[in-house]
This record gives sequence, C-alpha cells and structure tokens, in this order.
Amino acid sequence: AQSVSQHNHHVILSEAASLELGCNYSYGGTVNLFWYVQYPGQHLQLLLKYFSGDPLVKGIKGFEAEFIKSKFSFNLRKPSVQWSDTAEYFCAVKGNTPLVFGKGTRLSVIA
Amino acid sequence: DAGVIQSPRHEVTEMGQEVTLRCKPISGHDYLFWYRQTMMRGLELLIYFNNNVPIDDSGMPEDRFSAKMPNASFSTLKIQPSEPRDSAVYFCASSRAGAQETQYFGPGTRLLVL
Repeated sequence: AQSVSQHNHHVILSEAASLELGCNYSYGGTVNLFWYVQYPGQHLQLLLKYFSGDPLVKGIKGFEAEFIKSKFSFNLRKPSVQWSDTAEYFCAVKGNTPLVFGKGTRLSVIA
Repeated sequence: DAGVIQSPRHEVTEMGQEVTLRCKPISGHDYLFWYRQTMMRGLELLIYFNNNVPIDDSGMPEDRFSAKMPNASFSTLKIQPSEPRDSAVYFCASSRAGAQETQYFGPGTRLLVL
C-alpha cells in the first residue's frame, strides 16, 4: 500500500521568500501525484497534479512541483510567496488504491 | 457547477446522540469519498463508493459509523452513538471514473460532540 510523508509540519516564511515543501511517497508502481491546498476555514482545492510526461508540473498561483522518480519525491515550490499563500498544503498519491494524503504542512507567511 | 455540497456546515451535539452528515456529489461523478480531518491524525479516508456501491470501508473507525449512498446524488454518513472523540471536520469528495481524475472536495461539516 502507498504512503505519503511530508517532512515539515509548520513552515514560517517572510513575504517574497522562496518556498519548497517536501513530499515523499512509498509505492513501487505507477503513481499519480497531487498537491492540494486548504486555506483557513475552507475546503481542499487542487493546486496541481502529475500523471505522466514532463516531471515539472506547473499549477495555479505560481506553484510548481517536480516529480523525481528515483527519489520517490514530489516537492512543491514557489519562487516568491505572498501573505495570501498562508494555508495548509497536502501532498497525495494515488497508486493502486484511492488517494492517500500526507499529514499536511502548515505554511504561515508573515509580512 | 455547484460543486460538492455538504450539510450541515456545523453540528454541535451531545455524547450519545445520533449524527447524520449529508453530501451531494458533483453531477456525473461516479466516485464519492468520505474523509475525516483532525489535528492529530490528519486527513483519513473513511469509505468510498463507486456507482453508489461501497467499495472500501476499511477506514471506518468503528461500528458506530455507517455510510449509505441510496442514489447517485446523495450520500449520508451516520454516527450512532456519537462520542467526543468523533469531533472533527468531515469532508465529502467526488470524482469521475478513471485513475487520473481529480477529487473535488466539499466545504466540510465541522462536528463537535460534547
């Protein structure tokens, strides 16, 4: 069965700083990978997803993620964060079962 | 498209009471998922349906939890009797068939059991 590990529980950044959130998964087969975002008090929304092809995936709001198969990783990046990016970010993997989510990383962006 | 609709948005009840959470998936979606989110355990998949049929309920924590999907546009998650440790946010999500399809989440029901 697949599992997902998000290394950072809480990340605090200043506005304009660069962001990288780690995500590693364990599953030997073909996977589909997702990043979801949950703004305070709201539901989960899809940020970006990878199914096949170019391992560098671009999503909404300037986010991107890179699938590195050899490292079983799918890290999320953004060159310059804004205060409005304050949210919880969830990595998810789909192998041979429905989506499995990581525990989430809370991002706080301060002015 | 109205998105996934959940009701109620908030529920406060006393221990021992029955709680029923409702979900209307996006029209045309074949899969429906129920999740529970807590600070301690994160986002957990409780059960999911395909074409109204429960496929995997291994995530349902106890027999006190049950879920039904009587038709393609409605599902319920029932807790009876409720306990304080059931306090959480319960999300419903739906997707089309196919491995590559995205799950769309509802706004969630915030449940507090006193």
